Amino acid sequence: NAGVTQTPKFRILKIGQSMTLQCAQDMNHNYMYWYRQDPGMGLKLIYYSVGAGITDKGEVPNGYNVSRSTTEDFPLRLELAAPSQTSVYFCASSPRRDYGYTFGSGTRLTVV
Amino acid sequence: AQTVTQSQPEMSVQEAETVTLSCTYDTSESDYYLFWYKQPPSRQMILVIRQEAYKQQNATENRFSVNFQKAAKSFSLKISDSQLGDAAMYFCAYRQEYGNKLVFGAGTILRVKS
Repeated sequence: NAGVTQTPKFRILKIGQSMTLQCAQDMNHNYMYWYRQDPGMGLKLIYYSVGAGITDKGEVPNGYNVSRSTTEDFPLRLELAAPSQTSVYFCASSPRRDYGYTFGSGTRLTVV
Repeated sequence: AQTVTQSQPEMSVQEAETVTLSCTYDTSESDYYLFWYKQPPSRQMILVIRQEAYKQQNATENRFSVNFQKAAKSFSLKISDSQLGDAAMYFCAYRQEYGNKLVFGAGTILRVKS
């Protein structure tokens, strides 16, 4: 009963490096999301997907890319990391529009 | 665009007492969903309670209940018999009836004193 699994849990990147944050869910949820949470702040939507092959931008998509080739996986790609991308990243999924989310445990990313 | 406002950055409550966290939202929709999430120091986001706007009855989950005032666009969370484990950041969130995503408030830190 894994739910939403995010890897890695922690990562330190140097400015200009790239990386992919992994997210997988085993609940057959159609909707998947990436949010970022800056210290003491709420969650801001980066990208979301309503099903395999379909993705859309959220509030803060610049500097990120996503893909959704399967129902289970929704990786988030950071290209050319910048200090402003230092944050905690949450992946979440939902089975239907009227449901809340199931969240992963988050990835703490520091860009130095 | 819908917005969610939590006007209390921080609240404190004595163990075993009751506390109410405030949330207001802005929408022109008539049907939507509202949620409260808890984020303890472990940072895991946990769904506390869910309210459907077309239901007049306030949702309740054990010690957690809401006061949903649709006309006032208010959705407060009441925690009764507060416990040390209730200490966390609490987020209010809104979802349109046909919307694809949640909009979150900035959160309220709840401290529980023993």
